[in-house]
Amino acid sequence: SQQGEEDPQALSIQEGENATMNCSYKTSINNLQWYRQNSGRGLVHLILIRSNEREKHSGRLRVTLDTSKKSSSLLITASRAADTASYFCATAYTSGTYKYIFGTGTRLKVLA
Amino acid sequence: NAGVMQNPRHLVRRRGQEARLRCSPMKGHSHVYWYRQLPEEGLKFMVYLQKENIIDESGMPKERFSAEFPKEGPSILRIQQVVRGDSAAYFCASSLRGTTDTQYFGPGTRLTVL
Repeated sequence: SQQGEEDPQALSIQEGENATMNCSYKTSINNLQWYRQNSGRGLVHLILIRSNEREKHSGRLRVTLDTSKKSSSLLITASRAADTASYFCATAYTSGTYKYIFGTGTRLKVLA
Repeated sequence: NAGVMQNPRHLVRRRGQEARLRCSPMKGHSHVYWYRQLPEEGLKFMVYLQKENIIDESGMPKERFSAEFPKEGPSILRIQQVVRGDSAAYFCASSLRGTTDTQYFGPGTRLTVL
């Protein structure tokens, strides 16, 4: 199956709650990135985390990376209705290939 | 400092026609990537180009699809003799350095084949 599988596929929460999305991958990576896509729009880069990093923060976003489990998580704290979007992880191999592999995404819905 | 530009934003073609999608990378970026996204799916890598060179086209269909990134001007993704299955959103991304660098995406071109 494809590298970079997000879980859950869909998530619905109330405004103010935290949202956690997970991404699993299969082979060694150089880095992993999280993107957001609003319906019908392009992708917005959120965070890049390198294979030698374990955690990164950006505002209300927190990303963790566990290379031993080949997984990453994206936590959005104090969610807002404007956070409603699809969230994708993308992995860059270490094997010398050149492409990012995107998962199928988590569709987050934040209810006001 | 403009981001990645793509045009047209929407393109409608009849079966058998040609589709030409354009992408202008961010200023100073010489690495361009094309992805295709079907409804409710993630992005699928198609091709990676640097100026005048195709670096990796492992995601491109073998027939009808081609891409270029000339020394001057935008990158072009060309689809000949389009079929209904080509209907999708096509996104272009650019990066300053190679593929371990952050990729910045354009707004996409939504191709509809009638």
